[in-house]
Amino acid sequence: AAGVIQSPRHLIKEKRETATLKCYPIPRHDTVYWYQQGPGQDPQFLISFYEKMQSDKGSIPDRFSAQQFSDYHSELNMSSLELGDSALYFCASKRAGVRQETQYFGPGTRLLVL
Amino acid sequence: AQKVTQAQTEISVVEKEDVTLDCVYETRDTTYYLFWYKQPPSGELVFLIRRNSFDEQNEISGRYSWNFQKSTSSFNFTITASQVVDSAVYFCALKMLQTGANNLFFGTGTRLTVIP
Repeated sequence: AAGVIQSPRHLIKEKRETATLKCYPIPRHDTVYWYQQGPGQDPQFLISFYEKMQSDKGSIPDRFSAQQFSDYHSELNMSSLELGDSALYFCASKRAGVRQETQYFGPGTRLLVL
Repeated sequence: AQKVTQAQTEISVVEKEDVTLDCVYETRDTTYYLFWYKQPPSGELVFLIRRNSFDEQNEISGRYSWNFQKSTSSFNFTITASQVVDSAVYFCALKMLQTGANNLFFGTGTRLTVIP
């Protein structure tokens, strides 16, 4: 079965640079979530989109922005990167509808900021 | 406020032993979902099970079983006859349906090491 696709899988950036992470949800899933997992931490919710509109916002820094496109893929844009942004970034998707509450996660993008 | 507590930070067992991972949650919502995810060393998050707050039936899937007790706000996970491939970090997570929060709230995870 098709899974959530994230690219790139690994990314190395310097401080103050920008990064763009991409997420392609499972076909027919219209809701996308972004989570950040620091080393040894649990995943923390950043932001979510439903039908191309932002639906919820968590602890996303102002330096980050995201959007969902007409084909439902999503991009997380990160600017003025800091050392503390080094983390595993997950995208998850789910299908809309009653009882469709399971979020399926992608493999993650591992970002290292030097 | 919502909270998920996984008090066991790390557990080590010898292969073929049974092991139970504890999860205790707090929420004011009366309608919610509970999940378990597995994160192997490769890093991905693998969905294992979902339970809604109205369904207290325990579930068994192969060597895995889950015990949902609403009275104690617990959703424990047992692996029977553990194998080396079970070595991973296991996360319990909560999704509330009334508060309006759209995301999963994760516990801090339990790192399980199965020793051959």
